[in-house]
Amino acid sequence: DVKVTQSSRYLVKRTGEKVFLECVQDMDHENMFWYRQDPGLGLRLIYFSYDVKMKEKGDIPEGYSVSREKKERFSLILESASTNQTSMYLCASTLRGGYGYTFGSGTRLTVV
Amino acid sequence: DQQVKQNSPSLSVQEGRISILNCDYTNSMFDYFLWYKKYPAEGPTFLISISSIKDKNEDGRFTVFLNKSAKHLSLHIVPSQPGDSAVYFCAASAGAGSYQLTFGKGTKLSVIP
Repeated sequence: DVKVTQSSRYLVKRTGEKVFLECVQDMDHENMFWYRQDPGLGLRLIYFSYDVKMKEKGDIPEGYSVSREKKERFSLILESASTNQTSMYLCASTLRGGYGYTFGSGTRLTVV
Repeated sequence: DQQVKQNSPSLSVQEGRISILNCDYTNSMFDYFLWYKKYPAEGPTFLISISSIKDKNEDGRFTVFLNKSAKHLSLHIVPSQPGDSAVYFCAASAGAGSYQLTFGKGTKLSVIP
């Protein structure tokens, strides 16, 4: 079974803090994605990566950055957390050319 | 501009009856469609998919229908069970080898025992 593991299920951070969300997959997938899910807005793509050290902006990259130094790990960074970044963050991965995403369990981030 | 639309935010169905979840799309380049199911505090899980060369795909209680001319797809669940209560996301992909999915906003299905 493909596993996508997100390091934290719940996080509470203060406004202005730098926040790291980690995601690791164990099936040698080339593509990795970060989404956020908000009520009434569905899943919105923040950033994705199709290879090590490669990254592409999604639909809502503002206020976020990413890092992919190793194939299995894709990190989402909130440079200076704000209350409007309170959300459920979902990491996903897939093979190159593959359609079926495997999602992690999500990180519920609250910024106070 | 929303390219994948799920116009019903919620749906309630009696246990044992049919659930029909609808999805419309605007991008003619979409050629592969998927449904994902999400429980609270969990990541979405893949449910069923359909390629644009087909108009129907069935997997147990779940059937997806695709009407390309209308740019419409639907997910049928028969019979509905209380464990089917979840948020269902429709997703679409454009072009062979494209790995990027565009998701709808989701429909929350409640199956009433």
